Amino acid sequence: EPEVTQTPSHQVTQMGQEVILRCVPISNHLYFYWYRQILGQKVEFLVSFYNNEISEKSEIFDDQFSVERPDGSNFTLKIRSTKLEDSAMYFCASRSLGLSGYTFGSGTRLTVV
Amino acid sequence: KQEVTQIPAALSVPEGENLVLNCSFTDSAIYNLQWFRQDPGKGLTSLLLIQSSQREQTSGRLNASLDKSSGRSTLYIAASQPGDSATYLCAVRPIGGTSYGKLTFGQGTILTVHP
Repeated sequence: EPEVTQTPSHQVTQMGQEVILRCVPISNHLYFYWYRQILGQKVEFLVSFYNNEISEKSEIFDDQFSVERPDGSNFTLKIRSTKLEDSAMYFCASRSLGLSGYTFGSGTRLTVV
Repeated sequence: KQEVTQIPAALSVPEGENLVLNCSFTDSAIYNLQWFRQDPGKGLTSLLLIQSSQREQTSGRLNASLDKSSGRSTLYIAASQPGDSATYLCAVRPIGGTSYGKLTFGQGTILTVHP
């Protein structure tokens, strides 16, 4: 069964450093997403990406965040200057057209120290 | 604003029991509802997807129902096994806003099945 692949599985970074989280969505999917889950809290939406541009973003997704699909397979989330409160599990997800369900990756646990 | 609530927050049962997890949502204008399983520190595995026009979906020992008008869904697990121990999340895809389909999640039910 096709999978969404995320790397790395765990990243530790110092406050103020830039991080890039990587995702390879399912190849024939068209919609791409980033969600995050702070420990003990709900999974929350960050951003959706379609047709090579951001289609929607949440209040969390401020100027410190950016997404990119640099080629036909990778989808990245960049945090420019990490803060302690960015520590969370970050999930990439993708789906195909219409009313299809989401497929999530296994997540990247980001720890900012 | 759509709110999703799951009850109970945690559930501990002996192996072999049938059990029901509940999910409620405040706005019935949804395209679909998806149930996920999350193992500790891991990703989200899709279990069942129910479209707004459907009443239920089944996969193996799992059965999910949807009552859109009352804003409720249940996940029924038959003959529970220790391997079913995980957090179960429900998420709705609301109508309205953009069509790009962001999900709104509940906080999950932590299920422990003991031998």
